[in-house]
Amino acid sequence: QVQLVQSGAEVKKPGSSVKVSCKASGGTFSSYAISWVRQAPGQGLEWMGRIIPILGIANYAQKFQGRVTITADKSTSTAYMELSSLRSEDTAVYYCARDLRVRDIVAQGYYYYMDVWGKGTTVTVSS
Amino acid sequence: QTVVTQEPSLTVSPGGTVTLTCASSTGAVTSGYYPNWFQQKPGQAPRALIYSTSNKHSWTPARFSGSLLGGKAALTLSGVQPEDEAEYYCLLYYGGAQERVFGGGTKLTVL
Repeated sequence: QVQLVQSGAEVKKPGSSVKVSCKASGGTFSSYAISWVRQAPGQGLEWMGRIIPILGIANYAQKFQGRVTITADKSTSTAYMELSSLRSEDTAVYYCARDLRVRDIVAQGYYYYMDVWGKGTTVTVSS
Repeated sequence: QTVVTQEPSLTVSPGGTVTLTCASSTGAVTSGYYPNWFQQKPGQAPRALIYSTSNKHSWTPARFSGSLLGGKAALTLSGVQPEDEAEYYCLLYYGGAQERVFGGGTKLTVL
């Protein structure tokens, strides 16, 4: 089954950038999207954006537009999330998740879900 | 900016039944928002429970069920177990399923 393995914890200075990786194993990487979700300490989940590796197309939550870049390398089955102009409020655990759209043959529509999650990468922004 | 609202906290007795809800600032939640539900315990990644309103993943216990209720998405736990104490998040899809927005989460206490 699909597993998502994320890169290790990072400590960054305000104003710098961080790039977190998410390597998929056990499935066909290009057949699904990867979403990035973050969780600040004691706070809820926040969707940042996603990428469809087979198309190389990413879309982002409005809040992060211009500051986040999500990419994917199909050759290594790895997705990346880069967040720039870091501030203390970006201190959080960053998760990647498999983001699927599956055809519902009966209802002639689609199912949407995020079923497999990485363990998370802690990013600390501190001077 | 779209806001998805959940009850901040709920308490239920072991063996009881509880319903968590998920509302959208844009209006009534329908199946077209593909409501998803996740469970998260401290120090762990979220675990998917329900997708597209009422569909269970293969690992989802039978006591969890999803529905639409009074213009909201709902997650019902029947026969609550102590291990169900956790934070629960709903997720709604917007803009032709291009955007995703999580609710603020409901802390469920089993007492």
